[in-house]
Amino acid sequence: QQQVKQSPQSLIVQKGGISIINCAYENTAFDYFPWYQQFPGKGPALLIAIRPDVSEKKEGRFTISFNKSAKQFSLHIMDSQPGDSATYFCAAASKAAGNKLTFGGGTRVLVKP
Amino acid sequence: DTAVSQTPKYLVTQMGNDKSIKCEQNLGHDTMYWYKQDSKKFLKIMFSYNNKELIINETVPNRFSPKSPDKAHLNLHINSLELGDSAVYFCASSHSTSYGYTFGSGTRLTVV
Repeated sequence: QQQVKQSPQSLIVQKGGISIINCAYENTAFDYFPWYQQFPGKGPALLIAIRPDVSEKKEGRFTISFNKSAKQFSLHIMDSQPGDSATYFCAAASKAAGNKLTFGGGTRVLVKP
Repeated sequence: DTAVSQTPKYLVTQMGNDKSIKCEQNLGHDTMYWYKQDSKKFLKIMFSYNNKELIINETVPNRFSPKSPDKAHLNLHINSLELGDSAVYFCASSHSTSYGYTFGSGTRLTVV
């Protein structure tokens, strides 16, 4: 079973628009929720991360919103740029699981100029 | 000055062959991982090692055998390759006290 569910699978946004990707998790032991960005032919790279004691974290144009009671978190990309076109993965981890990152299924984002 | 380097980047081989993928990190991390990314881009952990000790061994066929000669290296040996083994394999590393992973660029394995 998939412990971290991500949606949508893909999205297209115009330059300057907002991209929103959602994730839901089941395991309440998770205590770290990162987002990774992956370009074709490259490995995933850490974009931004949040702990469950914080409801929102912002770094530049990227914001994570976290809802602990709903067990959901989302990534907002503001003022989307063509260079943001990539696959985005949410993930979750817990110390109890040996720091293992469990990934969502990924979202392919295409920003049109 | 690559942080996590994998070799080879591409590997094409026939069914039944045995192959190895090597990974090295120069970040001073004490934990290393192997992840498999399938054709649908789904990333799943296979193994993790902490200071040469196996920590995580997910449900992976025993044809896959990781080896960590020291905490900076983690290799993956695959015996009797099957068509279903075709995927991109990523090595990653982190500190055991941190969740921050650094991934390598991946090895695209194609079994024909």
